[in-house]
Amino acid sequence: EPEVTQTPSHQVTQMGQEVILRCVPISNHLYFYWYRQILGQKVEFLVSFYNNEISEKSEIFDDQFSVERPDGSNFTLKIRSTKLEDSAMYFCASSVLGANTGELFFGEGSRLTVL
Amino acid sequence: GDSVTQMEGPVTLSEEAFLTINCTYTATGYPSLFWYVQYPGEGLQLLLKATKADDKGSNKGFEATYRKETTSFHLEKGSVQVSDSAVYFCALIDTNFGNEKLTFGTGTRLTIIP
Repeated sequence: EPEVTQTPSHQVTQMGQEVILRCVPISNHLYFYWYRQILGQKVEFLVSFYNNEISEKSEIFDDQFSVERPDGSNFTLKIRSTKLEDSAMYFCASSVLGANTGELFFGEGSRLTVL
Repeated sequence: GDSVTQMEGPVTLSEEAFLTINCTYTATGYPSLFWYVQYPGEGLQLLLKATKADDKGSNKGFEATYRKETTSFHLEKGSVQVSDSAVYFCALIDTNFGNEKLTFGTGTRLTIIP
């Protein structure tokens, strides 16, 4: 069964360092997303991406964050200069028809620890 | 803004017990409602959904009814199994055109003991 894959599963980094989280969405999907969950808190929307551009982003997704689909298969989230409060589980998701259907397929997540 | 509130976990039940996980929401528009489940070592996956008032979503023995009057979407199952052990997330989306943002609750960890 097709699935969304994320790498790395866990990354530890120093504050101020750049981090890239990678995702391979399901191949025929058109919509791509990043969400995150800080320990003990809600799963929060970061950004959605469609037709090679950001379609929606949250207040969390400031200038320190960027997304890219560099080669038609990968979908990356870059954090330019990490802060302690960026420590969280980051989930990538993809969808054929978009979030209105609720049919998002999520990866297992990448745990980011900022020291 | 939109928000989802789930009952605090963790929840531990014996096999064959009745399950209810409460979920209430606030939304400015007319949302669609979802339950997602995350089994150990896997990503979140859609369990069931309801798109309008009084709709009942169901899947794998789980059910939830969209109650507009109480702004609730409680998840129920009549007889749980060990394999139902997972984290359950309630979520909504405002169905305005072009909206791509799902709003989630914190998740409720369910453990079923034999």
